[in-house]
Order: sequence, then C-alpha cells, then structure tokens
Amino acid sequence: EAGVAQSPRYKIIEKRQSVAFWCNPISGHATLYWYQQILGQGPKLLIQFQNNGVVDDSQLPKDRFSAERLKGVDSTLKIQPAKLEDSAVYLCASSPISRYYGYTFGSGTRLTVV
Amino acid sequence: AQTVTQSQPEMSVQEAETVTLSCTYDTSESNYYLFWYKQPPSRQMILVIRQEAYKQQNATENRFSVNFQKAAKSFSLKISDSQLGDTAMYFCAFMKKEYGNKLVFGAGTILRVKS
Repeated sequence: EAGVAQSPRYKIIEKRQSVAFWCNPISGHATLYWYQQILGQGPKLLIQFQNNGVVDDSQLPKDRFSAERLKGVDSTLKIQPAKLEDSAVYLCASSPISRYYGYTFGSGTRLTVV
Repeated sequence: AQTVTQSQPEMSVQEAETVTLSCTYDTSESNYYLFWYKQPPSRQMILVIRQEAYKQQNATENRFSVNFQKAAKSFSLKISDSQLGDTAMYFCAFMKKEYGNKLVFGAGTILRVKS
C-alpha cells in the first residue's frame, strides 16, 4: 500500500510569513494526526482528526496554527504568522479506526523560520 | 497525564553486538500499549515493536525484543546482532486504550552502530 504522503519536504520562511503543509494519508485510514518535532525532542501531538472532525487540538496554538481535513481525506496545516520557535519537523500520521497497532507516519516537512 | 522518559540521550554499539535502550513511563492506567519507533535520517518514523500491557509475555520481532516490567513501569528495547542500518533515533511511546487516544513520545535515544 502507498504510504503517508507529505509535502513540501523542506521549507524556509522568514518570521511573520505564512506557510502551509499538506498531508495525504493512507487510503481508508479514518484518523489523521499532525505532530510537531522540535530538534532533540520527541514528537508532540498538535491535532487529531477522526474523519472530518477534530478529536483533540488541545496542544495546537490556535492564535497562529490552523488545520483542516476536507472530505475526511487530505489535510493541511497552516501557520500564520510564523515565529522562530516554530522551526521544527512537522509529521503527519494516519491510522485505521483500530489504532492499537500504531500509526503510519509520513517523512515530514522540515520548517526553518529565519 | 502520561509521561515517557528515556534517560539515555545517546548510545553506541559495535556491529554484531547487543544493546539495550531504556524507557520508563508514568501512568495510572491499567490498560495501554507501548511502542518503540525508529527514526532514521530520512525522518520517517518506523514502528519497531509493540507491547500490550495486559500481556505478560515480552514482544519480539526478529532481532528486536522488549523487557516489559509493568509494576516498575519499565519498557526497554534490546537489539541483538546490531547492524549499521540500525543507526537511528529511537523513541519509546505510550498509548492509552480508549477512544481518542494518542501516542505520547519520549525524548528519544540516538543509537550509533560502529563498524
């Protein structure tokens, strides 16, 4: 099966600019996750979708971050305006309803804010 | 809230030898899952092994095995016959068994396999 697709792979922007990341999960996976991984740290969940709906966005900085999952498939994560501390790898993952076998992750987008 | 602690920031091992990575966690839950993920320089997180808390038998996957001590809340990963391709960041992760659960990761251990 095809894996989780993410784009772009790298992005460099200046602070206060906006940026968007795209994720296409594995076909049929109902649940989609966005994680932020700051250098030297473990991934931290930003938002979790179940089909079209948000299950958990408690760690999402809503003043600058937004995410949507149209038609329960693809998802985009946006940052506006970006801050220096947003420099990180943004990982997308998906899982079927029964997610206890772990998620399937994409290769991530490395964002550098200068 | 659950926390996962990996106390070894970096480890190194000679090719063909055995290495153990440590992980402890804190939870009041009785039913949960534990995972080890590998993240090579390509950045893609790859599932290495999974353990269900209610199973006493330690999980094994080829050269990878775990030592799960539920009472001590310890979940270590043993890699036997280490290979150069095992060089990566390894993350321990916890998941509650309930709707809306999520993976909670430790800070990771960098493993370097030397020839």
